[in-house]
Amino acid sequence: EPEVTQTPSHQVTQMGQEVILRCVPISNHLYFYWYRQILGQKVEFLVSFYNNEISEKSEIFDDQFSVERPDGSNFTLKIRSTKLEDSAMYFCASGMKGRVNTGELFFGEGSRLTVL
Amino acid sequence: DAKTTQPNSMESNEEEPVHLPCNHSTISGTDYIHWYRQLPSQGPEYVIHGLTSNVNNRMASLAIAEDRKSSTLILHRATLRDAAVYYCILRDTGNQFYFGTGTSLTVIP
Repeated sequence: EPEVTQTPSHQVTQMGQEVILRCVPISNHLYFYWYRQILGQKVEFLVSFYNNEISEKSEIFDDQFSVERPDGSNFTLKIRSTKLEDSAMYFCASGMKGRVNTGELFFGEGSRLTVL
Repeated sequence: DAKTTQPNSMESNEEEPVHLPCNHSTISGTDYIHWYRQLPSQGPEYVIHGLTSNVNNRMASLAIAEDRKSSTLILHRATLRDAAVYYCILRDTGNQFYFGTGTSLTVIP
C-alpha cells in the first residue's frame, strides 16, 4: 500500500540552526500538508501546498518556516533559526485531487525534532 | 474553525462494540464529518467520513444524527490494536483539518 515517508525520523539540533525535514508524498497526490504536534498536545495545522504554491497557512507558519517541492517527489519543510519551542513531531500529509475536501489525508510517521 | 466536542477518554472491553460520540452543534450545511485516529507514536490515520447518511467501511461505521449536530463512530469489535486517540473533525472552509483533543480509547483485554 502506498505511504507517505518522512526523513529523518529524529533530528537533534542546536538552537539557532536551520533544519530541513523531508517528505515523499504518495505519488499521484497533488495536495501536501505539514502539521506538528508538541509532546502531549494537539496536532496543529501548519501549511497546505498545491500547484507549487502555499494554499493556506496557520498563524504558526511565520517567516521562520518555508516549504518547497524541489522536484517531482519531495516536499520539504525548512525551519530557520530553530527555537526551543520548535521541538515537536512534524507530520507530512498528502491527498488526492478531488478527494481532499472529503477528508482522506494520508499522514507519514513523523519527524521528531529536538532543539537543544 | 468549526468546533467539535468529544469525551476525553473511554474504555472498552476487547471484542465488544465501541461507540465514540461527537457533538458538533455549529456544523454548517456543507461540512463533512471526518474521523481520524492516532495510534501511539504514529501519525494520524484516516478512519471514515460522511456528510448526511450513515457510512460503513472496513474499519468502522459512522452514524450521523438527522440534524447533523452529532455523530457516533462505531467500532464493531474492539481489538487491542484499536487503542488510540480518535479525532472527530469538521472540515474548515479551507483545505486544512483542525484536530481537537480527541477521545483516548483504552481497550481492556
